[in-house]
Amino acid sequence: AQSVTQLGSHVSVSEGALVLLRCNYSSSVPPYLFWYVQYPNQGLQLLLKYTTGATLVKGINGFEAEFKKSETSFHLTKPSAHMSDAAEYFCAVSDRGGATNKLIFGTGTLLAVQP
Amino acid sequence: GAGVSQTPSNKVTEKGKYVELRCDPISGHTALYWYRQSLGQGPEFLIYFQGTGAADDSGLPNDRFFAVRPEGSVSTLKIQRTERGDSAVYLCASSRGTSGAGDTQYFGPGTRLTVL
Repeated sequence: AQSVTQLGSHVSVSEGALVLLRCNYSSSVPPYLFWYVQYPNQGLQLLLKYTTGATLVKGINGFEAEFKKSETSFHLTKPSAHMSDAAEYFCAVSDRGGATNKLIFGTGTLLAVQP
Repeated sequence: GAGVSQTPSNKVTEKGKYVELRCDPISGHTALYWYRQSLGQGPEFLIYFQGTGAADDSGLPNDRFFAVRPEGSVSTLKIQRTERGDSAVYLCASSRGTSGAGDTQYFGPGTRLTVL
């Protein structure tokens, strides 16, 4: 069965600093990979996804992620954090060969941005 | 344009009662999903509809949980004989359903269910 591990349930960075949120998956076949963000009292919003092609994926709000098959990772980065980036971030996968599109989520990383 | 909407936003009920949670997907989206998010956890898949039929209900925890989508649009998640452990945020998502796996899912704001 597929699983997703997000290292660090809480990450704190200073405004302007690099943001790095880690995600590793466990799957015999590389899955489709997603990052979602959840702001307080709002629904999950897609930041970016990897399905095929270029392994470095750019998303909204300056975020990007790189699929590394050898490391089974899909870490999320942003060069310079803004206060508005404070939110909870979820990594998710779906089965590339599956009949459904169900997402399997990690437990999330709460990002705090200090002024 | 209108996103996925869910009603009610909050529901408080007593143990043993029956509840219904409603999801209105984005117009034209044929795929609809229900997830459950417990405190401190990521969302967990419950059920997936393609059109009117439940294509995958493997995530429903037991037979107290049931969902319908009779006209291929609005869906209702039904929970019988609620238990305190059912307390969670119930999320609905929809997608175009045209490109299979990898299709982007758009999430609603969720219904927070509290069972006293």
